[in-house]
Amino acid sequence: DSGVTQTPKHLITATGQRVTLRCSPRSGDLSVYWYQQSLDQGLQFLIQYYNGEERAKGNILERFSAQQFPDLHSELNLSSLELGDSALYFCASSPLLAGGGDTQYFGPGTRLTVL
Amino acid sequence: GDSVTQMEGPVTLSEEAFLTINCTYTATGYPSLFWYVQYPGEGLQLLLKATKADDKGSNKGFEATYRKETTSFHLEKGSVQVSDSAVYFCALSRVTGGGNKLTFGTGTQLKVEL
Repeated sequence: DSGVTQTPKHLITATGQRVTLRCSPRSGDLSVYWYQQSLDQGLQFLIQYYNGEERAKGNILERFSAQQFPDLHSELNLSSLELGDSALYFCASSPLLAGGGDTQYFGPGTRLTVL
Repeated sequence: GDSVTQMEGPVTLSEEAFLTINCTYTATGYPSLFWYVQYPGEGLQLLLKATKADDKGSNKGFEATYRKETTSFHLEKGSVQVSDSAVYFCALSRVTGGGNKLTFGTGTQLKVEL
């Protein structure tokens, strides 16, 4: 158990809908990261927040947005969903902002299925 | 940009066989290198890491050495067990701008049989 929690574990929805994925980082960790794992794209970095502020952005679609709240939990919002958004979404956390050797601890993931 | 290349899987070995999974990277500067493991139905777990050239990361019998001259971080284990069956990901992180991110390889599935 990494100490990172994600809810829900599974989510099934229809095209065009909007969903919110939630992540609680390990106690004391200030950085939260979101990754998408799909069969065709592999593991892709989406976005990083540090203590409430966006700090790094990857290949995140404009339909996707995220935020980190004062209690440090984070939410990833996916809107106007398409079939291709079906994937496993991971949250990770780490203590530091940009420590080069900083270990990221991963949650169990949320499996999103868009029908 | 940064990239990580891993050997294609799946790799099938008999129990107690020697394991090598090749990993090479492309990155400017001085990245940190990681191996993560993903067991079926679970998230990623850190297996080992190395933060500078010639460092050796080790854990649970697995080892990898950060080779800057060959830009490699190959994973090895002397004697694999059935319980090692999983997908292994090589990754690098490099501080850029105001943040940090992991760049992953495609993953190598390992199956160990009795």
